[in-house]
Amino acid sequence: DVKVTQSSRYLVKRTGEKVFLECVQDMDHENMFWYRQDPGLGLRLIYFSYDVKMKEKGDIPEGYSVSREKKERFSLILESASTNQTSMYLCASNADSYNEQFFGPGTRLTVL
Amino acid sequence: RKEVEQDPGPFNVPEGATVAFNCTYSNSASQSFFWYRQDCRKEPKLLMSVYSSGNEDGRFTAQLNRASQYISLLIRDSKLSDSATYLCVGHTGGFKTIFGAGTRLFVKA
Repeated sequence: DVKVTQSSRYLVKRTGEKVFLECVQDMDHENMFWYRQDPGLGLRLIYFSYDVKMKEKGDIPEGYSVSREKKERFSLILESASTNQTSMYLCASNADSYNEQFFGPGTRLTVL
Repeated sequence: RKEVEQDPGPFNVPEGATVAFNCTYSNSASQSFFWYRQDCRKEPKLLMSVYSSGNEDGRFTAQLNRASQYISLLIRDSKLSDSATYLCVGHTGGFKTIFGAGTRLFVKA
């Protein structure tokens, strides 16, 4: 069974903290994605990666960075968390850009 | 204008009803489309792909109308378990995948 896991389901951080969100997939997928989901706005792409050490900006990359040192792992970093980054963060992966994306369970991040 | 737009609903229907959702897209270069289902506090999961010729999977039928730039999802004989948010997704090539904000469906006994 395909699996995408995320390091935390719920996370509470303070403004200015550095935050790491980890995502691991066991399907040997080339592509990995980070989205945030907010009510009424749907899923918005933050960053994606199509290979190890490769990354591309999505629609809303400001305030975020990513790291992909191994094929199975894609990390999202909030360098200095702000309250407007309170959101649900979803990681996804797929084998081919035209194929179904498989999502992790999400991390609900609250920045106080 | 959003690239993929959906009526947020909610749609409240009784069990056994037929319900249809539409989704419009603005980028005529969009090449492929999908419907995902998202249960409350869960991750989205693929429900079905949408082909130009239309496709059916049990009680679910998806259609694509390129001329009018919309896709539809029809659910027949609604079940309580169909209650969820349905996300319309368009793919314009490369890694550009656009998710709609979702349509909420509540099926009541």
